[in-house]
Amino acid sequence: DSGVTQTPKHLITATGQRVTLRCSPRSGDLSVYWYQQSLDQGLQFLIHYYNGEERAKGNILERFSAQQFPDLHSELNLSSLELGDSALYFCASSLPTDLNTEAFFGQGTRLTVV
Amino acid sequence: EDQVTQSPEALRLQEGESSSLNCSYTVSGLRGLFWYRQDPGKGPEFLFTLYSAGEEKEKERLKATLTKKESFLHITAPKPEDSATYLCAVRGTYKYIFGTGTRLKVLA
Repeated sequence: DSGVTQTPKHLITATGQRVTLRCSPRSGDLSVYWYQQSLDQGLQFLIHYYNGEERAKGNILERFSAQQFPDLHSELNLSSLELGDSALYFCASSLPTDLNTEAFFGQGTRLTVV
Repeated sequence: EDQVTQSPEALRLQEGESSSLNCSYTVSGLRGLFWYRQDPGKGPEFLFTLYSAGEEKEKERLKATLTKKESFLHITAPKPEDSATYLCAVRGTYKYIFGTGTRLKVLA
């Protein structure tokens, strides 16, 4: 158990809908990262939050947004969903950004858009 | 641009047949190289962190090594339970950059 919790584990929704994925980082970790992994694809970086502030953005679609709350949990919002958004979405957390330590991943949310 | 390339894409080994996985990287100032194991449908599981050339880390049948341009994950006498995708990553600016992984299958 990495200590990173993601909910829900599975999500099935229709095209055009909006969903929210939730992530609770490890105790003490201030950084949260979101990644997307499509079938047989690598981990694609979406966005990084540190202590409530956005630190870096990857190739995140405008239909996607995220935030980190004062209790450090994070949510990834996906709207106007398309079939191609079906993927595994992972959250990871790590110690403060000025420490180059490893990130620990949650078990992911499998999103299926039908 | 920071980049990570892993080879081979897939590897089949007989149980007990040792081998190595390669991770080549291009990054402006290495701030950590990381190895993860990922089982199908699961989140990546952290294995090792390496920071400087010459550094080595070991865990059971796995040993990770680092040079200035690449890292190797050596698997000694693998067992079927070592079957997984092994991912390599480097620390970029406020993000981790992953390779596409090596899919390892160990046959009994």
